[in-house]
Amino acid sequence: GAVVSQHPSWVICKSGTSVKIECRSLDFQATTMFWYRQFPKQSLMLMATSNEGSKATYEQGVEKDKFLINHASLTLSTLTVTSAHPEDSSFYICSAIQTGGYEQYFGPGTRLTVT
Amino acid sequence: AQSVTQPDIHITVSEGASLELRCNYSYGATPYLFWYVQSPGQGLQLLLKYFSGDTLVQGIKGFEAEFKRSQSSFNLRKPSVHWSDAAEYFCAVGAQGGSYIPTFGRGTSLIVHP
Repeated sequence: GAVVSQHPSWVICKSGTSVKIECRSLDFQATTMFWYRQFPKQSLMLMATSNEGSKATYEQGVEKDKFLINHASLTLSTLTVTSAHPEDSSFYICSAIQTGGYEQYFGPGTRLTVT
Repeated sequence: AQSVTQPDIHITVSEGASLELRCNYSYGATPYLFWYVQSPGQGLQLLLKYFSGDTLVQGIKGFEAEFKRSQSSFNLRKPSVHWSDAAEYFCAVGAQGGSYIPTFGRGTSLIVHP
């Protein structure tokens, strides 16, 4: 139980285009989901907290207009990287907390490469 | 605010040897503590967690960790390492009664020699 999926697992896009990453809780409902960014050989950096039905809460220094987060249902949150640039290339990981719980379950991550 | 220190960037052990990965945290009250493992190109898998109670916590894959309040530590141990344990290990601390969102350490890369 408590499985989180991400789609796609990897994506290559051209500079200036937008790319959407999906995070789904497969067997539980998640009121809260988180989006992290991880650079090679580094730790996870929390980008934003996504709450179902409300606006995401972004961490300091994260551009909300560039990283659009939508949490339209209790099982799906999406991260859209708008007008992507090579510096946005990274490993993006989502996690979800089961409604009423407090343990995070992590997705497998999405490798984004912007050329 | 809480913080986590993993002082070792890399640890190299021989297969079959014992392992201890260090984690120190800073938080004003009793924290939530976690250890996660990440294989290359993968997400994070929870090895074990401490919320309260017994300070020696058993996890999956033969791992255990001990919460020592006096030392603000939560070191991860395994008595006999397998080659498949080679991965990145992250310690994380969360605030009880707060927003819960954990803060991650920078990670320790475990290298296992045959």
